Amino acid sequence: SQTIHQWPATLVQPVGSPLSLECTVEGTSNPNLYWYRQAAGRGLQLLFYSVGIGQISSEVPQNLSASRPQDRQFILSSKKLLLSDSGFYLCASTSGRTDTQYFGPGTRLTVL
Amino acid sequence: AQKVTQAQTEISVVEKEDVTLDCVYETRDTTYYLFWYKQPPSGELVFLIRRNSFDEQNEISGRYSWNFQKSTSSFNFTITASQVVDSAVYFCALSPLIQGAQKLVFGQGTRLTINP
Repeated sequence: SQTIHQWPATLVQPVGSPLSLECTVEGTSNPNLYWYRQAAGRGLQLLFYSVGIGQISSEVPQNLSASRPQDRQFILSSKKLLLSDSGFYLCASTSGRTDTQYFGPGTRLTVL
Repeated sequence: AQKVTQAQTEISVVEKEDVTLDCVYETRDTTYYLFWYKQPPSGELVFLIRRNSFDEQNEISGRYSWNFQKSTSSFNFTITASQVVDSAVYFCALSPLIQGAQKLVFGQGTRLTINP
């Protein structure tokens, strides 16, 4: 079964600073990868997804970007953080044998 | 457009009571998946169940059961004999049944508190 790692677990950043969140997947190959954001007290919103190395699709126009430099690595970035970027960021993965998304432990980002 | 509605924002019951979490969805797709996830205080989403739109059989797994009714676009989740460990936020989600990327649409979640 696959295991999803996210780093860091928590992060406090000032407005205007850069951001890099990492997601890595073990136990599968060629996964589809996803980034979600959960704002405080709200549901989850799909931000980006990737079906292969270098292939990124954006769902919501925003201050963030994503990259997939390796098959099992997915990175969420920003050049300049906004207060509204605060939230809980979750990475998810689906492997070829299942249509079920499994989630990582998440990164809690606070922008001050 | 797809939409998932979980009208119950918060539910609080006493341990051992049965509790049902409601989920109503909207979609124009003829084939789709429905999901339930559990989010404990740690934050990680835990997969509970996936149901295909063409399979309306209800499912039971231990104290958990799911009632899928296509006619009313509902996919309700019942916990029997609730326990304190069931306390969490529960999310219902929907995605089209297609190859490639699976775009999950989540409801707003129901916060369930089981009191001892």
